[in-house]
Amino acid sequence: KAGVTQTPRYLIKTRGQQVTLSCSPISGHRSVSWYQQTPGQGLQFLFEYFSETQRNKGNFPGRFSGRQFSNSRSEMNVSTLELGDSALYLCASSLAGAGNTIYFGEGSWLTVV
Amino acid sequence: SQELEQSPQSLIVQEGKNLTINCTSSKTLYGLYWYKQKYGEGLIFLMMLQKGGEEKSHEKITAKLDEKKQQSSLHITASQPSHAGIYLCGAAPFDNYGQNFVFGPGTRLSVLP
Repeated sequence: KAGVTQTPRYLIKTRGQQVTLSCSPISGHRSVSWYQQTPGQGLQFLFEYFSETQRNKGNFPGRFSGRQFSNSRSEMNVSTLELGDSALYLCASSLAGAGNTIYFGEGSWLTVV
Repeated sequence: SQELEQSPQSLIVQEGKNLTINCTSSKTLYGLYWYKQKYGEGLIFLMMLQKGGEEKSHEKITAKLDEKKQQSSLHITASQPSHAGIYLCGAAPFDNYGQNFVFGPGTRLSVLP
């Protein structure tokens, strides 16, 4: 069974640009969440999608957005990139319902220059 | 909001030694997850604890959740170089529903051969 797949794995962008990251969840998983990991702030929750609807949102500015498609695949977008957006972005998926384990992808390394 | 603290921040042990990592929550835990991360990679699920006093083991790793459900420990017996990495504890939301986890800052483990 394939795990959570994230693309691209590495990318470099310039300040002011925008970026889109993609995540394919484990087959059958309908809940997809995104996390940002930096050395200074650690692992922080961005948002979660379930059945194409944003169910939870972390404390990030509106420049960070996401969406989920009918096949549960998800994308996140960051507009007007800032140097501080450089981070490892992790996607996770789980089955619906309480008490389910979330499984993480390998992440997308974003460097903003 | 819920916060998780981990101790120690980093740990260097000789191969074959036992070690313990602690995770303390500011609020009652409704679901406590342990993950391992190799630098720059995704998180690997280790164990999930939900009930007070619960203990789970997998190979040489044992995790416990205290009766009050505010502290968890991860114990590695006879450590090996393959155990090296960053160990993160994560807490599920209060109703254990949804994926908006809060994570501790991590404990960096090095195992010397």
